Amino acid sequence: AQRVTQPEKLLSVFKGAPVELKCNYSYSGSPELFWYVQYSRQRLQLLLRHISRESIKGFTADLNKGETSFHLKKPFAQEEDSAMYYCALPFSGGYNKLIFGAGTRLAVHP
Amino acid sequence: DAGVTQSPTHLIKTRGQQVTLRCSPKSGHDTVSWYQQALGQGPQFIFQYYEEEERQRGNFPDRFSGHQFPNYSSELNVNALLLGDSALYLCASSHAGTGGSEGYFGEGSWLTVV
Repeated sequence: AQRVTQPEKLLSVFKGAPVELKCNYSYSGSPELFWYVQYSRQRLQLLLRHISRESIKGFTADLNKGETSFHLKKPFAQEEDSAMYYCALPFSGGYNKLIFGAGTRLAVHP
Repeated sequence: DAGVTQSPTHLIKTRGQQVTLRCSPKSGHDTVSWYQQALGQGPQFIFQYYEEEERQRGNFPDRFSGHQFPNYSSELNVNALLLGDSALYLCASSHAGTGGSEGYFGEGSWLTVV
């Protein structure tokens, strides 16, 4: 069965420290993976998708099929990065049908 | 562009009652998906509507039903409410023809069942 696991509920770092938010998935086939972010009192929004291989707000994520992981990384955390982060993959393929992980709260302290 | 809009933003219902939540998709989008997000959890896929039909359904009972109108807006109905239905209900829209899997989310409707 398709599944997304985010093992950490909370990740607390100081400003300027590196950040790695972990995501592991279970999926048969070639997955399309996403990271979503939800800032305080804002809607859930797409941060990045692996097929675009973009760096958004300094965040990158590499799909590792061998380890079935899609960890989100940023070399130097900023206070404005504090938010909830969700990893997601499509539900049985198709559009706009996603399986989300439970999320990781990133807290960046000054 | 107003993006995805949902109403109401908050509501309180009594156990056993019925509720209807509404969603207007982003301009140009024709597909609407609904999610339930319980406190401390990630969103869970309920179902998706396209061309006024339910196309796929997650692991939710028949008490959860929906509808899509010709203007692509959508409703989520929940009957015989249980305390466990208390959650944030999210709507996400997309355009089937663009190949975008990600969807654009609304701010959600907070449902509290007492």
